[in-house]
Amino acid sequence: DTAVSQTPKYLVTQMGNDKSIKCEQNLGHDTMYWYKQDSKKFLKIMFSYNNKELIINETVPNRFSPKSPDKAHLNLHINSLELGDSAVYFCASSQGANNSPLHFGNGTRLTVT
Amino acid sequence: DQQVKQNSPSLSVQEGRISILNCDYTNSMFDYFLWYKKYPAEGPTFLISISSIKDKNEDGRFTVFLNKSAKHLSLHIVPSQPGDSAVYFCAATDTGRRALTFGSGTRLQVQP
Repeated sequence: DTAVSQTPKYLVTQMGNDKSIKCEQNLGHDTMYWYKQDSKKFLKIMFSYNNKELIINETVPNRFSPKSPDKAHLNLHINSLELGDSAVYFCASSQGANNSPLHFGNGTRLTVT
Repeated sequence: DQQVKQNSPSLSVQEGRISILNCDYTNSMFDYFLWYKKYPAEGPTFLISISSIKDKNEDGRFTVFLNKSAKHLSLHIVPSQPGDSAVYFCAATDTGRRALTFGSGTRLQVQP
């Protein structure tokens, strides 16, 4: 009954491959996010969707494409993976008011070799 | 540019004592601040927040203080417990953006 679940937990792949990370939330929230935790441990926003509509798209390469089939899911597709994409990717969700806290998944550790 | 800074990467305190974690920000538009706690191999979990109209918010053993003129906030944990050992992230946002800007975290170790 995990609130925000993302799969896989670990992902090891080679440069140039295409991969996807899935995220689902069962909290009934209307907003979902992808954050990237880089090597310096900063958590940086990549994308945000509200009711399936993209509302935040930070300066992320076009190789990254989020897809939200419904309010409860936000998947992340990454094409032509590069070494620099290695990081931990966190999915999160929130509800309603702008200042409602985010609920995070446990992260997906992506390693590109 | 790091708009939210946690200059102490680690902090060690004795059980029962006070833990003080600090955070500085540079963006004057930030009006809401949060602290998250993160255990290894887990996602961050929300701990406590404060709006810019307040200078203090308390929840049990956790108190957050905000000094807007200094663009500084701090998290006080008292008394500290070994289970508090984790990485603590400071985060900030401006109302309407719906995205948090995080600091790099402070690893707190509470010694029994």
